[in-house]
Amino acid sequence: EAGVAQSPRYKIIEKRQSVAFWCNPISGHATLYWYQQILGQGPKLLIQFQNNGVVDDSQLPKDRFSAERLKGVDSTLKIQPAKLEDSAVYLCASSSPGRSYGYTFGSGTRLTVV
Amino acid sequence: RKEVEQDPGPFNVPEGATVAFNCTYSNSASQSFFWYRQDCRKEPKLLMSVYSSGNEDGRFTAQLNRASQYISLLIRDSKLSDSATYLCVVTPGGFQKLVFGTGTRLLVSP
Repeated sequence: EAGVAQSPRYKIIEKRQSVAFWCNPISGHATLYWYQQILGQGPKLLIQFQNNGVVDDSQLPKDRFSAERLKGVDSTLKIQPAKLEDSAVYLCASSSPGRSYGYTFGSGTRLTVV
Repeated sequence: RKEVEQDPGPFNVPEGATVAFNCTYSNSASQSFFWYRQDCRKEPKLLMSVYSSGNEDGRFTAQLNRASQYISLLIRDSKLSDSATYLCVVTPGGFQKLVFGTGTRLLVSP
């Protein structure tokens, strides 16, 4: 079974620039998540999709972050404009509905804002 | 107060030692509990689920105390390959999202 695919693996941008990350979940997984992991901390949920609808985006900084999941499959997460404190690893995960233990994480995108 | 609290460590132990990690959670409605393992510069991976009755997987034993809102992980006969960060994870009642602690770093030395 193919895993969760993410790209790019690394990205370095200057503050105030914009950046986008892409995620392709495991086939058939209706639920998709974006987590932010700052160095030395555990991952924090940014947004959760069920198919192409948003279930939880309470911790998404909506003034600069946006996410979409077109057709209930792939997803993109965008930051515009980026701040220094956005430097983190952005992890995408997917799961089957109702199965918290069925999570699979992608390898993540490591963002450095300079 | 953080939803999930862990001692960040690091815990430095010799090979063969037994080491225990603890974690507390604040939401009494939390439904599911896990330990995840994260290697340096890698994604988190599920180590084991945690139940009130306790569960064991080889050298690893996890325990949940709902009354005290406390989760533990015991590693026996530590191996060099056990060196990693161990993340305590809970799911809030009725939701699938995972809430992570900061993680406890374990370093096993020869």
